[in-house]
Amino acid sequence: RKEVEQDPGPFNVPEGATVAFNCTYSNSASQSFFWYRQDCRKEPKLLMSVYSSGNEDGRFTAQLNRASQYISLLIRDSKLSDSATYLCVVLSYNFNKFYFGSGTKLNVKP
Amino acid sequence: NAGVTQTPKFQVLKTGQSMTLQCAQDMNHNSMYWYRQDPGMGLRLIYYSASEGTTDKGEVPNGYNVSRLNKREFSLRLESAAPSQTSVYFCASKDSSSYNEQFFGPGTRLTVL
Repeated sequence: RKEVEQDPGPFNVPEGATVAFNCTYSNSASQSFFWYRQDCRKEPKLLMSVYSSGNEDGRFTAQLNRASQYISLLIRDSKLSDSATYLCVVLSYNFNKFYFGSGTKLNVKP
Repeated sequence: NAGVTQTPKFQVLKTGQSMTLQCAQDMNHNSMYWYRQDPGMGLRLIYYSASEGTTDKGEVPNGYNVSRLNKREFSLRLESAAPSQTSVYFCASKDSSSYNEQFFGPGTRLTVL
C-alpha cells in the first residue's frame, strides 16, 4: 500500500471555480503534512503546511483530519496561474523521511 | 543565496556508464535528500542524509550510492547506469525549524540509452 494516495485528476475547471483535492496517508504516526505545487518540468515548491486546526492562505485552505488520516486542499476563485500539479506530502514520525503522493493535476481554463 | 543547486541539468548516458550528480545548498540545512520522479509516480526517495556524516536508504536505493561530502554537499552516484534509471532527479534540503520545509534544486534530467 502506498504511503500517500491522491486522485491524479486531471481536474479541468473554469476560471473562478472552487476546486478541492483530497489525499490519504497510511501511517498514523506521521508528524507533519504539506501541499507542494509543481509546475511542468520544474521543481516542487511549498504551497502550504497543513495543521490540525486547519489553515488558510488567501484563496487556499488546507485541512487535516488525523482520525481519518485525510488531508484536503481547497482553492477558491481559481486563476489561470493555478494550473499545476499539487503534491500531497507527509513527513514521517521520526522527522527524517518525506512521502509524496503522485500528484493531482489542475487545469484552469478561461 | 543560491538555495539548492544541482549539476548537470541534463545528461545522456549509455548503459553501463557511470556518473555522479552533484548537489549543494547554502542554507546551512542539516538534512539533504535525493529523489527520482517518473511520470505518474510522484517523487520517490532514493537516499537521504539526516546530518553531516550520516546517510540512509530511502524507498528505491538499488543501483545508487551517495556521499555527504560536508554539510553543504550531497552527491548521488550511478555506478553502472541502466535504462530503468532514466528519470528526473531532484536534490532537496530541509529546514531544521519547526516548519520542516523542504527546498528543492532545479533537477537533473537523465536519459540512459
